[in-house]
Amino acid sequence: EPEVTQTPSHQVTQMGQEVILRCVPISNHLYFYWYRQILGQKVEFLVSFYNNEISEKSEIFDDQFSVERPDGSNFTLKIRSTKLEDSAMYFCASSESYEQYFGPGTRLTVT
Amino acid sequence: DAKTTQPNSMESNEEEPVHLPCNHSTISGTDYIHWYRQLPSQGPEYVIHGLTSNVNNRMASLAIAEDRKSSTLILHRATLRDAAVYYCILSEQMNRDDKIIFGKGTRLHILP
Repeated sequence: EPEVTQTPSHQVTQMGQEVILRCVPISNHLYFYWYRQILGQKVEFLVSFYNNEISEKSEIFDDQFSVERPDGSNFTLKIRSTKLEDSAMYFCASSESYEQYFGPGTRLTVT
Repeated sequence: DAKTTQPNSMESNEEEPVHLPCNHSTISGTDYIHWYRQLPSQGPEYVIHGLTSNVNNRMASLAIAEDRKSSTLILHRATLRDAAVYYCILSEQMNRDDKIIFGKGTRLHILP
């Protein structure tokens, strides 16, 4: 069964550094998303992406964040200058209809 | 987004049916009812969705009240692997790229 994959599974970075989280969505899906979950808290929407542009973004998704689909398979989330409060699990999701399929997540730890 | 109310936690015995309730008294006529779950240390997983009629799939059944103000996710025979947080979510489904707004969900514990 096709699935969404994410790399790396765990990323440790120092405050102020740039990180890129990578996702490979399911191949025939057209809609892509990033969510995050701070430890012990709810899953929060960050951004949705369709037709090579952002469809919607949340208040969390400020100028430090960007997304890109650099080729036909990858979907990336970049955090330009990480802060301690960016430490969280980051989930990528994709869909072709109304059901979203989530990846296993990348645990980002900012020290 | 319309709100849903779910119990914080529930317990069930392995191999027995589980009924997970969700109240959504302010649901609008165009809102679909979605259920997702999140197993420990994993990403959320789609379970089922419906509009008015009851729905069945390989994972679960969704029973929707006639007035649509509540619904119940039914796991017919719970296994230890079904221990997860279950989220009941409303969505207008006007656009296919609509975000999911997760609440706190119901944490389901399965007793062996």
